[in-house]
Amino acid sequence: GEEVAQTPKHLVRGEGQKAKLYCAPIKGHSYVFWYQQVLKNEFKFLISFQNENVFDETGMPKERFSAKCLPNSPCSLEIQATKLEDSAVYFCASSQGQGPIYEQYFGPGTRLTVT
Amino acid sequence: KQEVTQIPAALSVPEGENLVLNCSFTDSAIYNLQWFRQDPGKGLTSLLLIQSSQREQTSGRLNASLDKSSGRSTLYIAASQPGDSATYLCAVWRGSQGNLIFGKGTKLSVKP
Repeated sequence: GEEVAQTPKHLVRGEGQKAKLYCAPIKGHSYVFWYQQVLKNEFKFLISFQNENVFDETGMPKERFSAKCLPNSPCSLEIQATKLEDSAVYFCASSQGQGPIYEQYFGPGTRLTVT
Repeated sequence: KQEVTQIPAALSVPEGENLVLNCSFTDSAIYNLQWFRQDPGKGLTSLLLIQSSQREQTSGRLNASLDKSSGRSTLYIAASQPGDSATYLCAVWRGSQGNLIFGKGTKLSVKP
């Protein structure tokens, strides 16, 4: 597609439950990035992929967060045993290549609310 | 550690006014700088991408400049319209990895 698609739009989970978010990058884009936006517009980089390979995971909380990008499937971000502080909007972005000349195109985000 | 700051945090102007949004970054060794627009409850729309070797980029009523040596970028919006009301974010590339480091944004309100 011509836009980054993210599902679901909203997700509500009780503390301790699992949450799984999906992202379909723009067709032909081989890089996928996940960002977390918490209150006051604070964006935090989580992880990036080059096709199905992890490119950079320096922002991922290792204990409860995991992500995958498998061939012919949407990418996913999974949070095991959610905590209240995981409440945020999670954005996925994709780009055609890796390098500063390539713009990142963002999806509409998934709003996760942990109660 | 790279930090990105945007001033002011909020700005309200009457329609038709020209305005400037500011972005500063602590480490001048950036690869590029990207300006985004975010509407309430929506994703990010890329407005302009400036490579580190460039001084400015223009798109319609928008002009973004980059001064790496002083660690600053400005986004100039000419003849503002109520439809320009949104939060404007600037972001710089972190190292060579491609992850963006964002400022906290400037919330712009253009009054009719």
